[in-house]
Formats: sequence, C-alpha cells, structure tokens
Amino acid sequence: GDSVTQMEGPVTLSEEAFLTINCTYTATGYPSLFWYVQYPGEGLQLLLKATKADDKGSNKGFEATYRKETTSFHLEKGSVQVSDSAVYFCALTSPSGAGSYQLTFGKGTKLSVIP
Amino acid sequence: AAGVIQSPRHLIKEKRETATLKCYPIPRHDTVYWYQQGPGQDPQFLISFYEKMQSDKGSIPDRFSAQQFSDYHSELNMSSLELGDSALYFCASSLRIGAGATDTQYFGPGTRLTVL
Repeated sequence: GDSVTQMEGPVTLSEEAFLTINCTYTATGYPSLFWYVQYPGEGLQLLLKATKADDKGSNKGFEATYRKETTSFHLEKGSVQVSDSAVYFCALTSPSGAGSYQLTFGKGTKLSVIP
Repeated sequence: AAGVIQSPRHLIKEKRETATLKCYPIPRHDTVYWYQQGPGQDPQFLISFYEKMQSDKGSIPDRFSAQQFSDYHSELNMSSLELGDSALYFCASSLRIGAGATDTQYFGPGTRLTVL
C-alpha cells in the first residue's frame, strides 16, 4: 500500500536558521503530495501541496518540490521563526473507493524554534 | 472563509458508554472524511462519504458507525467505548465534483475524546 516516511524528530532550531524536513513516499500511480501543520492544541492546517512531478508548492516562506525521480517532497524554509514551532506532517492522497481520496500521513516531525 | 465545524470540541465518557461526534463540512463540499489521531500519532483514516453514501472505509472498528445527512453534515457514532478510543477525531471535507473540484482536504479543529 501507499506509505509516507518523514524524518524523525524532534527538530530544534534557533530562530532564523534554515529548515529541511525530509519526506519520501511510496505510491502506485501519481499521488498528490501535501504538507500539513499542526500547532499545539489545534487541528491540521494545509501548508502547501503539489499535484504533479516538478511542481513546487509554497506558502508562508515554506517550499517543497515534487520529485518523482527520488519520490521525495522535502519541506524547506530559509529562516524559521518561533511561531513556526509545530508538528509537520507529510501526506499523500491516493484514490480509493468510489472516487474518494484518503490521506496517508507520515509520522510527523515536531519542530521547536528557540529565540 | 467558512471552515469545517466539529462539535463538541471536547468530550469525556466512561468505558462502555456511547458518543456521537458531529461534523459540518465547508459549504458546497460534497465529501466528508473522518480520521483518528492517537496521542503522538499520525492521523489514521476511518471512513469517508460522498453525496451521503459511504465511499471508502479504513481502520474503523465495528463498534463505530457513521453517516452523512441530506444537509451534508456527518456524524460518527461510537459505542461500547474503550480506553484506547481516547484520541483526537478529525473531520475533513473536500469538493469532489464540480467547479473547483480538488483532492485537497480541509480539516476541522477536531474533537478530543477522553474515555475514563
């Protein structure tokens, strides 16, 4: 079945440091790829997405590029802020059932940014 | 913009009791998904509905059932609750057919269920 593997956390960075969270996937067909963020005590928020090879998703300074050749979708940000402290989930959608798309998530990476 | 609404936000139940969680999707969205997130875990897909019909089933226990109503809201019914059912339950919605259709799911804030 489809699966997502992302780097283990927790990750602790100083403010303004460069962030990379690695994500690789296994899927049949051509999934869409997502990064969701979960702030403490809150729900899941869509951060960015990419739907086909070489697409780059970007939002709030975060970027990720859909790399089909390496089956990867690594999340990057050039300069993190304390407010970026959260758990980040890499995910993919695969069509299933009567045309619905269930999300398969990675285990999540907890990021803590210190001043 | 309107978001997915879930109620209640917090729920405390005793073992063997029942619980009902409600989800109101984003207006015009025709598909609803339910996920369960245990402590420190990634969300696991439970079940989905499209146009009031069940469209897919994941790791949902037989003690749980769900449905989608004519106004597109959905309810997750959980019976004979066990300690292990304590988790955050998310509902997500998407628009599958029509203008703006996408496979992107938008999540509600979740219902935190605690079983004592």
